[in-house]
Amino acid sequence: DADVTQTPRNRITKTGKRIMLECSQTKGHDRMYWYRQDPGLGLRLIYYSFDVKDINKGEISDGYSVSRQAQAKFSLSLESAIPNQTALYFCATSDHRQGDNQPQHFGDGTRLSIL
Amino acid sequence: AQSVTQLGSHVSVSEGALVLLRCNYSSSVPPYLFWYVQYPNQGLQLLLKYTSAATLVKGINGFEAEFKKSETSFHLTKPSAHMSDAAEYFCAVTSYNQGGKLIFGQGTELSVKP
Repeated sequence: DADVTQTPRNRITKTGKRIMLECSQTKGHDRMYWYRQDPGLGLRLIYYSFDVKDINKGEISDGYSVSRQAQAKFSLSLESAIPNQTALYFCATSDHRQGDNQPQHFGDGTRLSIL
Repeated sequence: AQSVTQLGSHVSVSEGALVLLRCNYSSSVPPYLFWYVQYPNQGLQLLLKYTSAATLVKGINGFEAEFKKSETSFHLTKPSAHMSDAAEYFCAVTSYNQGGKLIFGQGTELSVKP
């Protein structure tokens, strides 16, 4: 089983719908991140969480919200989806106890299309 | 603020040729630098990282990168390309005061011709 699991893997929905993307991890890491990937722009940070009670906005948080339900679960919501939120979304984790120089570990991504 | 620039959004090499993917960074404090690879329909996988120890870093699949502070560069190389190296490659930077947040470059898509 994958260490960082994202569901769903693919989703097509309509403008105005509420959508939740879920991420769970079995690595025991304290930190979790949500990114979106757009062609030519690399990955951009949406939200990050250092633990269950510590959630922070990233570079492009407008139009998104998150919930850290447990150390292992971090979900991303689009309250009212719009077409320019069509992208590939990644969840990642890292272990702060090993220091800030630790790599992040990524899920396989959710491809989201908003019509 | 930190930033990363990857020169060349697409690089094409022949099988067996040298692979060189360029990454330049900007950071006002000592950086931690990473290279990740993304195969189609998959997440990002760590190739190698520089965290202030040896400046020449060896990673998986025969890749290596050299940290050059004077040039603010962290270019990725592989002596001989394989078809299986075709993928997208991302350079990323963080530092001790960024809480582990990564800043990514735009990505470079590597094609390998037979």
